[in-house]
Amino acid sequence: EDQVTQSPEALRLQEGESSSLNCSYTVSGLRGLFWYRQDPGKGPEFLFTLYSAGEEKEKERLKATLTKKESFLHITAPKPEDSATYLCAVQAGGGATNKLIFGTGTLLAVQP
Amino acid sequence: GAGVSQSPRYKVAKRGQDVALRCDPISGHVSLFWYQQALGQGPEFLTYFQNEAQLDKSGLPSDRFFAERPEGSVSTLKIQRTQQEDSAVYLCASSLAAQGARGYTFGSGTRLTVV
Repeated sequence: EDQVTQSPEALRLQEGESSSLNCSYTVSGLRGLFWYRQDPGKGPEFLFTLYSAGEEKEKERLKATLTKKESFLHITAPKPEDSATYLCAVQAGGGATNKLIFGTGTLLAVQP
Repeated sequence: GAGVSQSPRYKVAKRGQDVALRCDPISGHVSLFWYQQALGQGPEFLTYFQNEAQLDKSGLPSDRFFAERPEGSVSTLKIQRTQQEDSAVYLCASSLAAQGARGYTFGSGTRLTVV
Protein backbone atom coordinates (compact mmCIF):
# COMPACT_ATOMS: atom_id res chain seq x y z
CA GLU A 1 0.00 0.00 0.00
CA ASP A 2 1.29 3.45 -0.93
CA GLN A 3 2.10 5.45 2.20
CA VAL A 4 3.67 8.74 3.28
CA THR A 5 4.97 9.44 6.79
CA GLN A 6 6.16 12.86 7.92
CA SER A 7 8.23 13.75 10.95
CA PRO A 8 8.28 15.51 13.26
CA GLU A 9 4.58 16.25 13.70
CA ALA A 10 5.45 19.69 15.05
CA LEU A 11 8.64 21.73 15.19
CA ARG A 12 9.37 24.97 16.98
CA LEU A 13 12.43 26.97 15.88
CA GLN A 14 13.98 30.26 16.81
CA GLU A 15 14.40 32.72 13.96
CA GLY A 16 17.63 31.86 12.16
CA GLU A 17 17.79 28.30 13.53
CA SER A 18 18.10 25.96 10.52
CA SER A 19 16.49 22.52 10.51
CA SER A 20 15.04 19.77 8.31
CA LEU A 21 11.67 18.12 7.89
CA ASN A 22 11.47 14.46 6.88
CA CYS A 23 9.11 12.66 4.52
CA SER A 24 9.41 8.86 4.24
CA TYR A 25 7.45 7.08 1.55
CA THR A 26 6.61 3.66 0.18
CA VAL A 27 5.06 3.71 -3.24
CA SER A 28 4.71 1.40 -6.22
CA GLY A 29 6.54 3.35 -8.88
CA LEU A 30 7.15 6.96 -7.92
CA ARG A 31 5.97 9.44 -10.54
CA GLY A 32 6.71 12.45 -8.39
CA LEU A 33 7.15 13.71 -4.83
CA PHE A 34 5.58 17.04 -3.94
CA TRP A 35 6.03 19.54 -1.15
CA TYR A 36 3.25 21.97 -0.28
CA ARG A 37 2.88 24.73 2.29
CA GLN A 38 -0.49 25.21 3.99
CA ASP A 39 -1.45 28.27 6.02
CA PRO A 40 -4.45 28.18 8.40
CA GLY A 41 -7.74 28.45 6.53
CA LYS A 42 -6.06 28.12 3.15
CA GLY A 43 -5.53 25.36 0.63
CA PRO A 44 -2.09 23.84 0.10
CA GLU A 45 0.32 25.99 -1.91
CA PHE A 46 2.74 24.21 -4.26
CA LEU A 47 6.45 24.45 -3.43
CA PHE A 48 8.43 21.73 -5.24
CA THR A 49 8.19 18.59 -7.35
CA LEU A 50 11.01 16.02 -7.30
CA TYR A 51 11.09 13.11 -9.73
CA SER A 52 14.21 11.03 -9.16
CA ALA A 53 16.68 10.13 -6.42
CA GLY A 54 19.46 12.67 -6.12
CA GLU A 55 17.36 15.54 -7.37
CA GLU A 56 17.41 18.82 -5.42
CA LYS A 57 15.39 22.02 -5.75
CA GLU A 58 15.68 25.35 -3.97
CA LYS A 59 13.44 28.33 -3.38
CA GLU A 60 14.54 31.16 -1.13
CA ARG A 61 15.25 29.60 2.30
CA LEU A 62 13.87 26.18 1.32
CA LYS A 63 15.70 23.27 -0.27
CA ALA A 64 14.12 19.90 -1.07
CA THR A 65 16.09 16.70 -1.64
CA LEU A 66 15.04 13.18 -2.65
CA THR A 67 16.39 9.68 -2.07
CA LYS A 68 14.81 6.33 -2.95
CA LYS A 69 13.04 6.16 0.40
CA GLU A 70 12.66 9.69 1.72
CA SER A 71 12.71 13.39 1.06
CA PHE A 72 13.97 16.23 3.21
CA LEU A 73 12.85 19.84 3.28
CA HIS A 74 15.73 21.90 4.60
CA ILE A 75 14.93 25.33 6.02
CA THR A 76 17.91 27.66 6.28
CA ALA A 77 17.76 30.63 8.66
CA PRO A 78 13.97 30.57 8.94
CA LYS A 79 11.87 33.66 9.52
CA PRO A 80 8.52 33.93 11.35
CA GLU A 81 6.72 34.12 8.00
CA ASP A 82 7.89 30.56 7.28
CA SER A 83 5.52 29.35 10.00
CA ALA A 84 2.98 27.00 8.39
CA THR A 85 2.15 23.33 7.94
CA TYR A 86 4.38 21.63 5.37
CA LEU A 87 2.81 18.73 3.52
CA CYS A 88 4.56 16.03 1.54
CA ALA A 89 2.72 14.01 -1.12
CA VAL A 90 3.56 11.30 -3.65
CA GLN A 91 2.06 10.39 -6.97
CA ALA A 92 2.24 6.69 -7.77
CA GLY A 93 2.80 5.20 -11.18
CA GLY A 94 0.26 3.37 -13.30
CA GLY A 95 -3.40 3.92 -14.08
CA ALA A 96 -5.30 6.96 -15.23
CA THR A 97 -5.55 8.55 -11.83
CA ASN A 98 -3.35 11.51 -11.00
CA LYS A 99 -4.15 11.54 -7.33
CA LEU A 100 -1.71 12.60 -4.65
CA ILE A 101 -1.19 10.66 -1.43
CA PHE A 102 -0.42 13.09 1.38
CA GLY A 103 1.30 12.74 4.71
CA THR A 104 -0.17 14.31 7.82
CA GLY A 105 2.18 17.29 7.67
CA THR A 106 4.70 19.02 9.91
CA LEU A 107 3.48 22.10 11.78
CA LEU A 108 6.37 24.56 11.85
CA ALA A 109 6.44 27.54 14.22
CA VAL A 110 9.28 30.05 13.92
CA GLN A 111 9.60 32.41 16.85
CA PRO A 112 11.20 35.86 16.50
CA GLY B 1 -10.77 34.36 -11.87
CA ALA B 2 -7.13 34.04 -11.03
CA GLY B 3 -7.50 31.10 -8.69
CA VAL B 4 -9.72 28.17 -7.78
CA SER B 5 -12.88 29.42 -6.11
CA GLN B 6 -14.92 27.35 -3.70
CA SER B 7 -18.29 28.12 -2.15
CA PRO B 8 -19.56 28.30 0.43
CA ARG B 9 -16.48 28.85 2.61
CA TYR B 10 -18.30 27.50 5.63
CA LYS B 11 -21.32 25.23 5.87
CA VAL B 12 -23.09 23.98 8.97
CA ALA B 13 -25.49 21.12 8.34
CA LYS B 14 -27.77 19.21 10.62
CA ARG B 15 -27.22 15.48 10.61
CA GLY B 16 -29.25 13.92 7.83
CA GLN B 17 -29.31 17.08 5.69
CA ASP B 18 -28.05 17.08 2.09
CA VAL B 19 -25.32 19.55 1.10
CA ALA B 20 -23.80 20.74 -2.18
CA LEU B 21 -20.31 22.20 -2.42
CA ARG B 22 -19.22 24.15 -5.47
CA CYS B 23 -15.84 24.47 -7.17
CA ASP B 24 -14.95 26.98 -9.91
CA PRO B 25 -11.60 25.89 -11.34
CA ILE B 26 -9.13 28.10 -13.15
CA SER B 27 -10.44 28.78 -16.66
CA GLY B 28 -9.14 26.26 -19.17
CA HIS B 29 -7.94 23.75 -16.57
CA VAL B 30 -8.62 20.24 -17.80
CA SER B 31 -8.12 18.30 -14.59
CA LEU B 32 -10.18 18.77 -11.42
CA PHE B 33 -9.74 16.99 -8.10
CA TRP B 34 -11.68 16.84 -4.83
CA TYR B 35 -9.92 16.08 -1.56
CA GLN B 36 -11.19 15.75 2.02
CA GLN B 37 -9.04 17.09 4.87
CA ALA B 38 -9.96 16.15 8.42
CA LEU B 39 -8.63 18.27 11.29
CA GLY B 40 -4.91 17.72 11.79
CA GLN B 41 -4.63 15.40 8.80
CA GLY B 42 -3.36 15.64 5.27
CA PRO B 43 -5.79 15.86 2.35
CA GLU B 44 -7.26 12.56 1.16
CA PHE B 45 -8.24 11.99 -2.45
CA LEU B 46 -11.94 11.71 -3.24
CA THR B 47 -12.38 11.93 -7.01
CA TYR B 48 -10.83 13.13 -10.28
CA PHE B 49 -12.28 14.61 -13.46
CA GLN B 50 -10.66 15.12 -16.82
CA ASN B 51 -12.95 17.64 -18.53
CA GLU B 52 -16.46 16.27 -17.89
CA ALA B 53 -15.37 12.64 -17.48
CA GLN B 54 -15.04 11.29 -13.95
CA LEU B 55 -12.02 9.03 -14.39
CA ASP B 56 -11.50 8.03 -10.76
CA LYS B 57 -13.98 8.00 -7.90
CA SER B 58 -12.20 5.42 -5.80
CA GLY B 59 -11.78 7.79 -2.85
CA LEU B 60 -15.46 8.57 -2.31
CA PRO B 61 -16.12 7.11 1.16
CA SER B 62 -19.69 5.95 0.54
CA ASP B 63 -22.56 6.09 -1.92
CA ARG B 64 -23.76 9.19 -0.06
CA PHE B 65 -21.02 11.13 -1.86
CA PHE B 66 -21.55 12.16 -5.47
CA ALA B 67 -19.59 14.53 -7.72
CA GLU B 68 -20.30 15.95 -11.14
CA ARG B 69 -18.75 18.29 -13.69
CA PRO B 70 -21.34 18.30 -16.48
CA GLU B 71 -19.79 20.90 -18.79
CA GLY B 72 -16.17 20.30 -17.96
CA SER B 73 -15.83 23.47 -15.89
CA VAL B 74 -17.68 24.01 -12.59
CA SER B 75 -17.91 20.96 -10.34
CA THR B 76 -20.27 20.13 -7.50
CA LEU B 77 -19.65 17.68 -4.68
CA LYS B 78 -22.90 16.51 -3.11
CA ILE B 79 -23.20 14.71 0.20
CA GLN B 80 -26.53 13.14 1.04
CA ARG B 81 -27.80 12.42 4.55
CA THR B 82 -24.75 14.01 6.17
CA GLN B 83 -23.22 12.37 9.23
CA GLN B 84 -20.86 13.73 11.87
CA GLU B 85 -17.88 11.91 10.38
CA ASP B 86 -18.37 13.98 7.20
CA SER B 87 -17.17 17.07 9.08
CA ALA B 88 -13.98 18.19 7.34
CA VAL B 89 -12.56 20.71 4.91
CA TYR B 90 -13.34 19.81 1.30
CA LEU B 91 -10.63 21.01 -1.07
CA CYS B 92 -10.86 21.37 -4.81
CA ALA B 93 -7.79 21.57 -7.06
CA SER B 94 -7.38 22.09 -10.78
CA SER B 95 -4.57 21.56 -13.24
CA LEU B 96 -3.95 22.64 -16.81
CA ALA B 97 -2.29 19.35 -17.70
CA ALA B 98 -4.22 16.14 -18.31
CA GLN B 99 -1.42 14.15 -16.76
CA GLY B 100 0.52 14.64 -13.61
CA ALA B 101 0.12 17.00 -10.69
CA ARG B 102 2.34 19.72 -12.12
CA GLY B 103 0.68 23.06 -11.66
CA TYR B 104 -1.93 21.70 -9.25
CA THR B 105 -3.70 24.73 -7.73
CA PHE B 106 -5.89 24.30 -4.67
CA GLY B 107 -8.82 26.41 -3.59
CA SER B 108 -9.21 27.54 0.03
CA GLY B 109 -11.78 24.84 0.70
CA THR B 110 -15.24 24.53 2.20
CA ARG B 111 -15.32 23.77 5.91
CA LEU B 112 -18.29 21.48 6.58
CA THR B 113 -19.49 21.00 10.12
CA VAL B 114 -22.25 18.46 10.74
CA VAL B 115 -24.09 18.95 14.02
